[in-house]
Amino acid sequence: SQQGEEDPQALSIQEGENATMNCSYKTSINNLQWYRQNSGRGLVHLILIRSNEREKHSGRLRVTLDTSKKSSSLLITASRAADTASYFCATEPLFFGGGSNYKLTFGKGTLLTVNP
Amino acid sequence: DGGITQSPKYLFRKEGQNVTLSCEQNLNHDAMYWYRQDPGQGLRLIYYSQIVNDFQKGDIAEGYSVSREKKESFPLTVTSAQKNPTAFYLCASSPDRAYSNQPQHFGDGTRLSIL
Repeated sequence: SQQGEEDPQALSIQEGENATMNCSYKTSINNLQWYRQNSGRGLVHLILIRSNEREKHSGRLRVTLDTSKKSSSLLITASRAADTASYFCATEPLFFGGGSNYKLTFGKGTLLTVNP
Repeated sequence: DGGITQSPKYLFRKEGQNVTLSCEQNLNHDAMYWYRQDPGQGLRLIYYSQIVNDFQKGDIAEGYSVSREKKESFPLTVTSAQKNPTAFYLCASSPDRAYSNQPQHFGDGTRLSIL
């Protein structure tokens, strides 16, 4: 089952505008990660935010995490045509009492199109 | 230059045939994963391995098999029992759990189609 669900499924904007994508999840997490996928390629990691963090920045990217609402958002500012890609959130579950878990659960992604 | 190499990029399978997808990493990562991606969908975990000579089933392991004889390599076999194998297959790796909160690194995928 999908843990993370991105919203919207597709987003089309003009170059220079900001793009916001949202992710909701269901269970307690250790961290939440955002990945980007260009058509026909593998995923590239963008940002990892831990459960005790509320906001994180990387260049033109800003990620927020609200664990009380079990949601996260990814903001891309001043978008460029090269930002056109699918964006996925992935959650790493929190395991109480120890034990390791390597499993990420991915959402279905948001397809972002940035028009020149 | 460290990374993950998947081969081949495109693969075609005949009915009743087993095919093997290659995944090699030189990142010195302990954990490796195989995912399946269908059009317009997210990634679903097939198998994962935390250490050499050990692996666990993911959410959709039926019809697939793996081996982990070397740290650098984690090949995936799509068997004839997998009736709907057409998909994009992605391999990933990550450091040992002792280094917590680490992202996964992905290869560029193998696209498998049925002849």
